[in-house]
Amino acid sequence: EPEVTQTPSHQVTQMGQEVILRCVPISNHLYFYWYRQILGQKVEFLVSFYNNEISEKSEIFDDQFSVERPDGSNFTLKIRSTKLEDSAMYFCASSDRGGPKETQYFGPGTRLLVL
Amino acid sequence: GNSVTQMEGPVTLSEEAFLTINCTYTATGYPSLFWYVQYPGEGLQLLLKATKADDKGSNKGFEATYRKETTSFHLEKGSVQVSDSAVYFCALSLANQAGTALIFGKGTTLSVSS
Repeated sequence: EPEVTQTPSHQVTQMGQEVILRCVPISNHLYFYWYRQILGQKVEFLVSFYNNEISEKSEIFDDQFSVERPDGSNFTLKIRSTKLEDSAMYFCASSDRGGPKETQYFGPGTRLLVL
Repeated sequence: GNSVTQMEGPVTLSEEAFLTINCTYTATGYPSLFWYVQYPGEGLQLLLKATKADDKGSNKGFEATYRKETTSFHLEKGSVQVSDSAVYFCALSLANQAGTALIFGKGTTLSVSS
């Protein structure tokens, strides 16, 4: 069964450093998402991406964040200058169609720790 | 604003017990409703969904009915197994544009013992 994959599974970085989290969505999907879950808190939406542009973003997704689909398979989240509060589990998701009725398929997550 | 409220966990049950995890929502408009499950060390998996009022979603013995009058989507299972131990997330999605964000509840941890 097709699945969303994410790399790395864990990443430790120093405050102020740039990190890139990578995702390979399901191959025929067209809509891509990033969510994060700070330990003990809700899963929060960050951004959605379709047709090579951001379609929706939350207040969390400020100028330090960016997303990119550099080729036909990868979808990346870049954090330019990490802060302690960026420590979280980051989930990538994809769906074959957009809209509220569609199922989003999630990857296993990348646990980011900022020291 | 739009939000989801789930019952606080953890919920601890013995095998074959009846499970209810309450979920209520606040939304402007008519959301689609979802239950996702997260097994230890894994990502979120869709368990079931309902896209309009009175719809019942079901999967793996779990059921939830979209109740517009009570703005609820409670998850139930008649007889839980140890393998059901996981974190359960209720979520909603609203019609505004393509690539719609999911809004999640805090999650409820279920622990089933044999």
